[in-house]
Amino acid sequence: DQQVKQNSPSLSVQEGRISILNCDYTNSMFDYFLWYKKYPAEGPTFLISISSIKDKNEDGRFTVFLNKSAKHLSLHIVPSQPGDSAVYFCAARVSGAGGTSYGKLTFGQGTILTVHP
Amino acid sequence: KAGVTQTPRYLIKTRGQQVTLSCSPISGHRSVSWYQQTPGQGLQFLFEYFSETQRNKGNFPGRFSGRQFSNSRSEMNVSTLELGDSALYLCASNTGVNTEAFFGQGTRLTVV
Repeated sequence: DQQVKQNSPSLSVQEGRISILNCDYTNSMFDYFLWYKKYPAEGPTFLISISSIKDKNEDGRFTVFLNKSAKHLSLHIVPSQPGDSAVYFCAARVSGAGGTSYGKLTFGQGTILTVHP
Repeated sequence: KAGVTQTPRYLIKTRGQQVTLSCSPISGHRSVSWYQQTPGQGLQFLFEYFSETQRNKGNFPGRFSGRQFSNSRSEMNVSTLELGDSALYLCASNTGVNTEAFFGQGTRLTVV
């Protein structure tokens, strides 16, 4: 049962243009969402997060949008740079009472982003 | 501030053996979670420890176990290794109270 899905295995974008990575989820209990960037044989690097009480969060070139009714979130990277080429993972978490679920992240399968010079 | 440190980085073991992986979290972080990454299954949650107690567990067999020490360092153990246990094992730490998780570089385990 894939509770977090990234339906696009790969995305190719020209340098300077916008990259849009999408993520869908099925568990309505998820209330905190994160995006990570990952290179092969390395650990994921945290990029940006959003709580379910918001619909948008920005940090520099990265913006995450959350549409709770559609159970959909997206990561926008503007402008895209060749150094952004990596695998991007969307992750979700349930913040249970007493913190029982804080550490458990459910990940999507990842999207390989390639930014061409 | 030092990041999450995992040791060793690479490991080769034989089927049937057991292995112990180590994770030192960011200073001040009390929660440590472990994940397994394989090409077919992606990143899957193994378990989380908070203040030396297992707080959450994923759907892995009992051969996978862990523990956390009073200084928040954590170890993960896999007994009776199988070929399918070959994976990148990742450790993540956070403060334990609704914050982002930061990952280590991972331990690449190969079972032959």
